[in-house]
Amino acid sequence: AQKVTQAQTEISVVEKEDVTLDCVYETRDTTYYLFWYKQPPSGELVFLIRRNSFDEQNEISGRYSWNFQKSTSSFNFTITASQVVDSAVYFCALSALWGSNYKLTFGKGTLLTVNP
Amino acid sequence: DVKVTQSSRYLVKRTGEKVFLECVQDMDHENMFWYRQDPGLGLRLIYFSYDVKMKEKGDIPEGYSVSREKKERFSLILESASTNQTSMYLCASSLSTGTSGYNEQFFGPGTRLTVL
Repeated sequence: AQKVTQAQTEISVVEKEDVTLDCVYETRDTTYYLFWYKQPPSGELVFLIRRNSFDEQNEISGRYSWNFQKSTSSFNFTITASQVVDSAVYFCALSALWGSNYKLTFGKGTLLTVNP
Repeated sequence: DVKVTQSSRYLVKRTGEKVFLECVQDMDHENMFWYRQDPGLGLRLIYFSYDVKMKEKGDIPEGYSVSREKKERFSLILESASTNQTSMYLCASSLSTGTSGYNEQFFGPGTRLTVL
């Protein structure tokens, strides 16, 4: 069975603080993919990043960075110098085989509020 | 840009009504998905389709059916709406080329359905 746990339900920070969103996953598959999506107040989920299970290289994109560690089954997301526009619900998701198709399993999301 | 559109942003229906939620994507994606999003539960997969006239049950198909007569359109049907189907419904699509688990899903803006 596949499972994604985002232990932080809500996080509140003040602008310019750094914040890390945690994601822990479970799967028995050796080939899988991990995603982060952002859901702003408008409601539409926006794809942020993808990682495959064979690529543990961390990635940085502007103020965003992702740390993938297979040893701890974690795929954490850090926002540096947070801004009010970062306020959103963030979802971590795992894509792994489910029968003969890949299925995307989402965590329950972390609501990030960045206060001015 | 990929665009996924949903027929309504807000919908109010009565218990027992038959409800149709429509989703259209304009990027020739093979895969289409219906999720429901509830507070504290994240996104849960209802049904998905990887080709015209094909459908697969997701995690919570009970009380729902789907229809995919054309590649660009995926409809979710509530045969007899009930109050516990009050939720946000999200449609998504993705490519099926290569390893389909790798491809990110593109989401519509969602339909907030209230069943009275």
